Amino acid sequence: DVKVTQSSRYLVKRTGEKVFLECVQDMDHENMFWYRQDPGLGLRLIYFSYDVKMKEKGDIPEGYSVSREKKERFSLILESASTNQTSMYLCASSLLAGRPPYFGPGTRLTVL
Amino acid sequence: KNEVEQSPQNLTAQEGEFITINCSYSVGISALHWLQQHPGGGIVSLFMLSSGKKKHGRLIATINIQEKHSSLHITASHPRDSAVYICAVIKTGNQFYFGTGTSLTVIP
Repeated sequence: DVKVTQSSRYLVKRTGEKVFLECVQDMDHENMFWYRQDPGLGLRLIYFSYDVKMKEKGDIPEGYSVSREKKERFSLILESASTNQTSMYLCASSLLAGRPPYFGPGTRLTVL
Repeated sequence: KNEVEQSPQNLTAQEGEFITINCSYSVGISALHWLQQHPGGGIVSLFMLSSGKKKHGRLIATINIQEKHSSLHITASHPRDSAVYICAVIKTGNQFYFGTGTSLTVIP
């Protein structure tokens, strides 16, 4: 069974802290994505990766960075968390570009 | 302006009702997905469409490429259908663009 896991379901951090959100998929997928989901705005793409050590900016990359050192793992980094980064963060992976992505359960991050 | 628009944003129905959720998009696409998100966050893909109509159980999805419009229908709705339904399109270039979702509540 296909699986995308995220390191935490809920996370509370303070303004200015460095935050790591980890995502692991066990399907040998090439493509991995990080989205944030906010009420009324839907899912917005932060970063994506089509291969190891490769990354591309999505629609809202400001304040975020990513790392993909291994095929199965895609990390989202908030260098200095701010309150406007309070959101639900969803990781996804897909085998082929355009095929249905498989989503992780999400991490609800609160920045105080 | 969002390239993918969904309506309605919120929908409450009585159990057994026929439900329609609409999705309009303004860009050229290679395919369209309907996704379901239950409380707690997990999102699953229901359908991928590039033309015509697909049916899975009580769910039916249609797409009209010329009119840039898709609909998701739920027949004989049930409280377990309560979820957020999200329309997503794949532009040429293989990036997903998402609608803001329709929150459906089915009352027993």
